[in-house]
Amino acid sequence: DTGVSQNPRHKITKRGQNVTFRCDPISEHNRLYWYRQTLGQGPEFLTYFQNEAQLEKSRLLSDRFSAERPKGSFSTLEIQRTEQGDSAMYLCASSSGQGGANVLTFGAGSRLTVL
Amino acid sequence: AQSVTQLGSHVSVSEGALVLLRCNYSSSVPPYLFWYVQYPNQGLQLLLKYTTGATLVKGINGFEAEFKKSETSFHLTKPSAHMSDAAEYFCAVSDSDMRFGAGTRLTVKP
Repeated sequence: DTGVSQNPRHKITKRGQNVTFRCDPISEHNRLYWYRQTLGQGPEFLTYFQNEAQLEKSRLLSDRFSAERPKGSFSTLEIQRTEQGDSAMYLCASSSGQGGANVLTFGAGSRLTVL
Repeated sequence: AQSVTQLGSHVSVSEGALVLLRCNYSSSVPPYLFWYVQYPNQGLQLLLKYTTGATLVKGINGFEAEFKKSETSFHLTKPSAHMSDAAEYFCAVSDSDMRFGAGTRLTVKP
């Protein structure tokens, strides 16, 4: 297993454009998480899935953000009408099991720059 | 709601000196606590975790942390810093999802 894979690694876009990030978790992991990290800050929780069900969304996830995990495997995070404030590293993580004791395995992240 | 607070955004130590990175948590239920490390241009990696049982938890690279319920703390320590320890360290608390602190950047001086 190659771990958690995120694509693209870097994305530069103009304000107002839509962008989509993809995350491929570790294959046997049933949980998938999205976080956002800005410079000098810790990862901020955005949303998580258990299999294909989106179980929780942060209030940080405005209506311009949508995440899907259609078959309980890979996930996409789409940002519509991007704003400069969306510039950040978007992190994906996966874990197995259902409890809070499970360790998250992180991908290397997708860096978004909005001009 | 669960949360963690990391005291000190930047800690600088000399090589060979004790490393102490502070973390306090807030949780309405018995917490699961974690420390992750992030090296430049890399993803977060687990250092250690506390779930139940022994309150002194040993992790990778000589790090350890002690869960103190009375102080709601989970401080990370290492007896002797190495240059390779320079990184960003994040404390996290988990219930159904994981919440991270703002991080502490560790600098190790030769």
